Amino acid sequence: DVKVTQSSRYLVKRTGEKVFLECVQDMDHENMFWYRQDPGLGLRLIYFSYDVKMKEKGDIPEGYSVSREKKERFSLILESASTNQTSMYLCASSPVTSGIPTDTQYFGPGTRLTVL
Amino acid sequence: ILNVEQSPQSLHVQEGDSTNFTCSFPSSNFYALHWYRWETAKSPEALFVMTLNGDEKKKGRISATLNTKEGYSYLYIKGSQPEDSATYLCACPQGYKLTFGKGTLLTVNP
Repeated sequence: DVKVTQSSRYLVKRTGEKVFLECVQDMDHENMFWYRQDPGLGLRLIYFSYDVKMKEKGDIPEGYSVSREKKERFSLILESASTNQTSMYLCASSPVTSGIPTDTQYFGPGTRLTVL
Repeated sequence: ILNVEQSPQSLHVQEGDSTNFTCSFPSSNFYALHWYRWETAKSPEALFVMTLNGDEKKKGRISATLNTKEGYSYLYIKGSQPEDSATYLCACPQGYKLTFGKGTLLTVNP
């Protein structure tokens, strides 16, 4: 079974703090993704990575950066957390096998971040 | 940005009822349509990946159909159970990434 783990289920931080959210997958997947989920807005892509040290902006990258130094690990960084970054953050990974458009994404359990 | 829409936004049914909801997507440049189920406090999990017009897939009491020419997919649940309560998401690929609809929140009352 594919396993995607995230470093924390719940996190409370203060405005202005630097926040690291870690994601690890154990299935040697090439692609990794960071989403946030907000009520009424659905899952929105922040950043994704298709290889080590490679990254692409998603739909809402502002205020975030990412790091992928190893294939299994993808980190989301909030350089200076703000209250509007309070959200549920989900990490996902997918292989590149039969073809990019049909590859299933496997999700972690999410981190609920509250910024005070 | 690809526009993927789901309806209804939420749905309450009684245990034993059958139900269905819709995912709409652009019919041009279609590659695939994904369905996921997201239960509270769990990870979203993949239900189906559909690629061919007219495709129908089934997993237990859940099934899905696909119409790529008119740009919609239906998800059906037969004889809903409380454990079916979840948010059901559909998504379309766009390059490496998936664009998700906002989901349908299904609540099944015992």
